Amino acid sequence: RKEVEQDPGPFNVPEGATVAFNCTYSNSASQSFFWYRQDCRKEPKLLMSVYSSGNEDGRFTAQLNRASQYISLLIRDSKLSDSATYLCVVFNQAGTALIFGKGTTLSVSS
Amino acid sequence: NAGVTQTPKFRILKIGQSMTLQCTQDMNHNYMYWYRQDPGMGLKLIYYSVGAGITDKGEVPNGYNVSRSTTEDFPLRLELAAPSQTSVYFCASSYEGQTTGELFFGEGSRLTVL
Repeated sequence: RKEVEQDPGPFNVPEGATVAFNCTYSNSASQSFFWYRQDCRKEPKLLMSVYSSGNEDGRFTAQLNRASQYISLLIRDSKLSDSATYLCVVFNQAGTALIFGKGTTLSVSS
Repeated sequence: NAGVTQTPKFRILKIGQSMTLQCTQDMNHNYMYWYRQDPGMGLKLIYYSVGAGITDKGEVPNGYNVSRSTTEDFPLRLELAAPSQTSVYFCASSYEGQTTGELFFGEGSRLTVL
C-alpha cells in the first residue's frame, strides 16, 4: 500500500450537494492527520487537522478510522468556492516528515 | 506581513544550467522546507531545515543543494539542470516543525528545463 492514497476524482457536484472524500494511509503508527486545500495553480493551505474523535469546522467534517487506516472529509452544502483540490496529509513511517497525497479534485457547479 | 516569499515565480532553464531558487520568511519560523510538485502528483520533500546552520535531506534530494545561514532565508540550488527537474517548487515554513501540521507555503516557483 502506498503511504497515502486518494481517489483523484474529479468529483463534479452541484451547489448545495454533500460530498465526501476518503484517504487511506499505510503508517499504522501515524498520530497526526490533516487536510489541506490547494486552489488551481496556488500553494496548499491547511484546511483542518483530523482528530481521533472526529471534528467539525463549519460545513466541513473530518473523521478518522484507525482500524481501517483511513480518514475522510465531508463537505456539506457545497459552494462554488469549494472548488479546489483537497490533499490528505499524514506522517511518514519515520514520523519525521509530512506525506502529501496526490489530492482529490472537487468541482462545484451552479 | 509577507509570510513566505519565493523568487523567481517562473524560470526556463537549459539542460546543464544552474540556478538558485530564493525563499525568505518573515515569521521567525525555525523550520523551513522545500517541496516539489509534479503535475497530478503530491508534494515531495526535497530538503528541510530545523534552524540556521542545520539542513537535512528529504525524500528526493538528488540534484539539489540547500543552505541555511539565517533564520529567514533558505535558498535551493539546482546544479546541472535536467528535464526531470521540471516542476513547481514550493518553499514552506513552520514554527514548531511538522508536528502541528501547519505549514505556510510560498506561492511557488514554476521551473521548466528544456
